[in-house]
Amino acid sequence: AQKITQTQPGMFVQEKEAVTLDCTYDTSDQSYGLFWYKQPSSGEMIFLIYQGSYDEQNATEGRYSLNFQKARKSANLVISASQLGDSAMYFCAMRVSLTDSWGKLQFGAGTQVVVTP
Amino acid sequence: GAVVSQHPSWVICKSGTSVKIECRSLDFQATTMFWYRQFPKQSLMLMATSNEGSKATYEQGVEKDKFLINHASLTLSTLTVTSAHPEDSSFYICSARDLAQGIGNTIYFGEGSWLTVV
Repeated sequence: AQKITQTQPGMFVQEKEAVTLDCTYDTSDQSYGLFWYKQPSSGEMIFLIYQGSYDEQNATEGRYSLNFQKARKSANLVISASQLGDSAMYFCAMRVSLTDSWGKLQFGAGTQVVVTP
Repeated sequence: GAVVSQHPSWVICKSGTSVKIECRSLDFQATTMFWYRQFPKQSLMLMATSNEGSKATYEQGVEKDKFLINHASLTLSTLTVTSAHPEDSSFYICSARDLAQGIGNTIYFGEGSWLTVV
């Protein structure tokens, strides 16, 4: 069975500093995808970054980068130069099955990030 | 990018009544859509996979008679919460994948629907 673990329930980070959000996963599949989403208090799920299991390079999207360590089964999100607008809940998710058209996601528990001035 | 629209954003209903939530893919066809539920301060939990033209596949522990899913077209899936009770109050959110874009980040979420049962 697949599992996603986020061990940090909440974090405070100072504006302009970098923050790393931890995510580990467990799967027996060789082909899988890892996602990070941001969820502000409004509830919408904002896609941040994606890493495929066969991607050799770590994914980057602007201020977001994913530190993918396949052997350790970790996919940590790094947010550089934090901004006040980064305050939100952050979820790590994994595509769990080759069936279902690759659309089914399993989510971690989430990490609440609060950026302070 | 592709857009998934969910309606209504907020709904309050009386206990015992039914409420329908719509999930539409606006500029792509989605043969499969997914419905999640999220209680306050918790993660998203998959409820069911909605399959166009066939029955939905429900996750373990989700009552199929209570959460009716219909996927009558390639762009619309509906979730109906029947005989709603206060414990059904939650945030419901759908997602869909744009198959035309291949593997990768092609999963798009709706805006979500806040349901309050009074």
